[in-house]
Amino acid sequence: NAGVTQTPKFQVLKTGQSMTLQCAQDMNHEYMSWYRQDPGMGLRLIHYSVGAGITDQGEVPNGYNVSRSTTEDFPLRLLSAAPSQTSVYFCASTESDSGVYEQYFGPGTRLTVT
Amino acid sequence: QQQVKQSPQSLIVQKGGISIINCAYENTAFDYFPWYQQFPGKGPALLIAIRPDVSEKKEGRFTISFNKSAKQFSLHIMDSQPGDSATYFCAASYSGYALNFGKGTSLLVTP
Repeated sequence: NAGVTQTPKFQVLKTGQSMTLQCAQDMNHEYMSWYRQDPGMGLRLIHYSVGAGITDQGEVPNGYNVSRSTTEDFPLRLLSAAPSQTSVYFCASTESDSGVYEQYFGPGTRLTVT
Repeated sequence: QQQVKQSPQSLIVQKGGISIINCAYENTAFDYFPWYQQFPGKGPALLIAIRPDVSEKKEGRFTISFNKSAKQFSLHIMDSQPGDSATYFCAASYSGYALNFGKGTSLLVTP
């Protein structure tokens, strides 16, 4: 059981380039989400999915795109990278058990846009 | 607009002391309030969570106190240890899924 995995761990992009951050979980959780973490800002929700084929926007969705074709995978696409997207990105999947919702976070992807 | 306000931004506590971190929220629809712990280079991990139908929840050295009328909740770490040094985030949601995080508190426990 690997939990939540994210690739790559580090990435440097030039302004205007596109890329996909990969996220996979092997816990059969229906709910998955993407957050970005910036210094002094906490974590902010970008997009989330309540199951395969269903996605929705979070607090800061602009410049990002997601899709959910399988329960296991939830990739995040940067359409045209901007320096403001320099951040650490965390993917999470959520388990619900007796009213407790535990979000399992991946190790993160540190992205720098120059 | 930050929906969850967290204080202090940083905290230094001596070993054996009590660490207290406070959070406040505005949205009365929130019904789930977790606390996450994050070590450098790692993703956050769930520490403890509470629902508004109880005023306190304790798990080991960690206690959440919840004041529904004041729309405030806090994390108390009893007998703080150097291994507790980390960043702590409070959060709130009305679904249990889409979390609204506070900005975090960096805790340092000195030997």
